[in-house]
Amino acid sequence: DAKTTQPPSMDCAEGRAANLPCNHSTISGNEYVYWYRQIHSQGPQYIIHGLKNNETNEMASLIITEDRKSSTLILPHATLRDTAVYYCIVNNFNKFYFGSGTKLNVKP
Amino acid sequence: SAVISQKPSRDICQRGTSLTIQCQVDSQVTMMFWYRQQPGQSLTLIATANQGSEATYESGFVIDKFPISRPNLTFSTLTVSNMSPEDSSIYLCSVDSRTDTQYFGPGTRLTVL
Repeated sequence: DAKTTQPPSMDCAEGRAANLPCNHSTISGNEYVYWYRQIHSQGPQYIIHGLKNNETNEMASLIITEDRKSSTLILPHATLRDTAVYYCIVNNFNKFYFGSGTKLNVKP
Repeated sequence: SAVISQKPSRDICQRGTSLTIQCQVDSQVTMMFWYRQQPGQSLTLIATANQGSEATYESGFVIDKFPISRPNLTFSTLTVSNMSPEDSSIYLCSVDSRTDTQYFGPGTRLTVL
């Protein structure tokens, strides 16, 4: 079962930062937080993952709170092509249990 | 990242028939997974395809309905048996990587009439 809670939808203006929150209050010490996105029912696309420390790559930044009970995915300069459903997943022995995700609408 | 292909990309089938979906990856991987995404819903894990042994099914999914094969480290099949309209979904395979990341195939869109 999914161990994460996300808002069902969010809006963001094009060019602005998109901050997507995720709650995972029951996360265990050895479980990673993963973020994926899905565009138009294509296969989910990997974005980023982390354990304790904040992470950054060419796509996004991941901020994990010190108690690890929540995290935020940051898209620094959202574009229209970032419109998608974003999934926050807690990895449980290599199995991914998807929650409902957040539909991000990037608007001109 | 691994390159994953699925066949067919889409199909329309009659109820009572079966469809086998293929998943091919361009490199050897340890773990392969099958998911279902019903219309308007999130992804649900069906099973883990184990090479050389029987697949491990999640709660609510059974081998008779969704038989899975994993003959080697680059290939797996999922069969949807005795289909009904409720089986209309997108079926996706995924593979693990050496960086503890899963990569997903493009999916197979199945419509059952």
